[in-house]
Amino acid sequence: EVQLVESGGGLVQPGGSLRLSCAASGFTFSSYEMNWVRQAPGKGLEWVSYISSRGSKIYYADSVKGRFTISRDNAKNSLYLQMYSLRAEDTAVYYCARVYGGCPGDYWGQGTRVTVSS
Amino acid sequence: QSVLTQPPSASGTPGQRVTISCSGSSSNIGSNTVNWYQQLPGTAPKLLIYSNNQRPLGVPDRFSGSKSGTSASLAISGLQSEDEADYYCAAWDDSLNGWVFGGGTKLTVL
Repeated sequence: EVQLVESGGGLVQPGGSLRLSCAASGFTFSSYEMNWVRQAPGKGLEWVSYISSRGSKIYYADSVKGRFTISRDNAKNSLYLQMYSLRAEDTAVYYCARVYGGCPGDYWGQGTRVTVSS
Repeated sequence: QSVLTQPPSASGTPGQRVTISCSGSSSNIGSNTVNWYQQLPGTAPKLLIYSNNQRPLGVPDRFSGSKSGTSASLAISGLQSEDEADYYCAAWDDSLNGWVFGGGTKLTVL
């Protein structure tokens, strides 16, 4: 069974940093591209970042470019999102998702909540 | 302001057929496949339709997708109370080098 479990969310002050993790199981993690997608309270889905299966190709949404860094450790079946210079508008539930063809995610984690507030 | 445009709400009665539209441009829907998600309150999105009209295993055939030019549609036939949820379309955008989502449509079953 495919499972994605996010962790690392919490309350952080504006300008602070946070590192999210996503533990994958039930599939060959190293063969799949991965995404981070977020959802602000009461709002829609927003794609955040993409990483190829070996980490050689990375893309970011303009809203996080230069502040967030996506990475992965295929030996540990884990995906990461390092977030710097956090702003109030980064407050959201962050989901990791397994990319499937042209689809941003066929399997999603349950999400981890990030709140940026003083 | 979402790159893909969806109506904010839709409604229908049990047994009815409803459609939800998704409008984009040549850089996203016009040149890439469309995907649809269902999100129940407090849960993660669930893939409903991928590659314009393909259903993952386990998704009832009451759900169908179509695409024409720079627009796409999700149709739900035989509407059921459990279909009440938010629905999102998504596609890769060649200009933005990333995925774009619609703003979401809240479906109410009357």
